[in-house]
Amino acid sequence: AQSVTQLDSQVPVFEEAPVELRCNYSSSVSVYLFWYVQYPNQGLQLLLKYLSGSTLVKGINGFEAEFNKSQTSFHLRKPSVHISDTAEYFCAVSDRFGNEKLTFGTGTRLTIIP
Amino acid sequence: KAGVTQTPRYLIKTRGQQVTLSCSPISGHRSVSWYQQTPGQGLQFLFEYFSETQRNKGNFPGRFSGRQFSNSRSEMNVSTLELGDSALYLCASSLSQGVSVGYTFGSGTRLTVV
Repeated sequence: AQSVTQLDSQVPVFEEAPVELRCNYSSSVSVYLFWYVQYPNQGLQLLLKYLSGSTLVKGINGFEAEFNKSQTSFHLRKPSVHISDTAEYFCAVSDRFGNEKLTFGTGTRLTIIP
Repeated sequence: KAGVTQTPRYLIKTRGQQVTLSCSPISGHRSVSWYQQTPGQGLQFLFEYFSETQRNKGNFPGRFSGRQFSNSRSEMNVSTLELGDSALYLCASSLSQGVSVGYTFGSGTRLTVV
């Protein structure tokens, strides 16, 4: 079984400042890692995913994440945020062995301050 | 192309009733998964269907069931509704079986049980 911990439930950031949203996971097997974003009254949109290879993954909207196996982390970063980045962000994990479910963290609400 | 379509968007039901939610995946997508989102429990996996077969099921009581049709459209049914079933129900589709491919989520059906 896997679990995901998102350490910050809310993160306020000034516009054009950098941001890091933290995610740690626990699993006894190799995993795939994902970040999804949810805007108000909408479903989830995939930002980026780590499957294998380079540990630095680039996604949409200028976001990137780095997989750190030794620290079991997959933190999401953006060098300069915009008002439009206000949303809830979910880290998720799945195993690599055909179990098709995603296990999500509890989410981080990112609020951009003008 | 059209995204994942969930109907209805909003639903109010009385405790003890049953409800059916519908999900039309992106054209060509054959895998459909369902998730429940609540403030208390977050996002939890319900079940996943591929080519009309349920391949995975989450830890939900038997009151929760689903099916997939030959055109890949899926329905989920909740019988004997309880107040705790109030949630946003999200459907996600992917081109093939394999969570690594990445899901496309619909906007969800918000169910309120009174």
